[in-house]
Amino acid sequence: RKEVEQDPGPFNVPEGATVAFNCTYSNSASQSFFWYRQDCRKEPKLLMSVYSSGNEDGRFTAQLNRASQYISLLIRDSKLSDSATYLCVVKGYTGNQFYFGTGTSLTVIP
Amino acid sequence: DGGITQSPKYLFRKEGQNVTLSCEQNLNHDAMYWYRQDPGQGLRLIYYSQIVNDFQKGDIAEGYSVSREKKESFPLTVTSAQKNPTAFYLCASSSPEGLSYGYTFGSGTRLTVV
Repeated sequence: RKEVEQDPGPFNVPEGATVAFNCTYSNSASQSFFWYRQDCRKEPKLLMSVYSSGNEDGRFTAQLNRASQYISLLIRDSKLSDSATYLCVVKGYTGNQFYFGTGTSLTVIP
Repeated sequence: DGGITQSPKYLFRKEGQNVTLSCEQNLNHDAMYWYRQDPGQGLRLIYYSQIVNDFQKGDIAEGYSVSREKKESFPLTVTSAQKNPTAFYLCASSSPEGLSYGYTFGSGTRLTVV
């Protein structure tokens, strides 16, 4: 079983829509959780960390459900510039290793 | 400005050649990593180093080698033993205190076998 699993999509949504991505992780002892954004042919960049109590950054809301071992990312009022691949990342329970999901592709359509 | 620099951006390798990808960081991070990204497969860990003069194999180390002689530098050599080296290679770094902030990535090297 993979450490981190995501629905690869693609998600095609109109501008202004709300879209949500989910991600599950296999190890209940995982410590830290992140969403990264990756544009085509570029490196991943940290979008936001995910905290146990949930956290919000502008139009983006991240939530963690430890009991069910999943994290989510909600994007409200989608913009064309939100089109990218969103990677779910989980820090392993030992050492400094991070585990990456395969990414969920989002295209926001005018 | 602090960051990670990978070079070259594009690299072409002939069959049977070894090539070395450079990764330099000035973030004073202890840990450095090499990942490979293929379409539809996400990032896979090749090697990582948590301290100078020490490194560990990741999930797909076969056909690759690394060194960590300086804190700032973590070069990756793709040897002729790596049968399918065409991929996007990403170097990353992190510090123990900053793990809640995730990795910082370099801009990547796109390697193609010709």
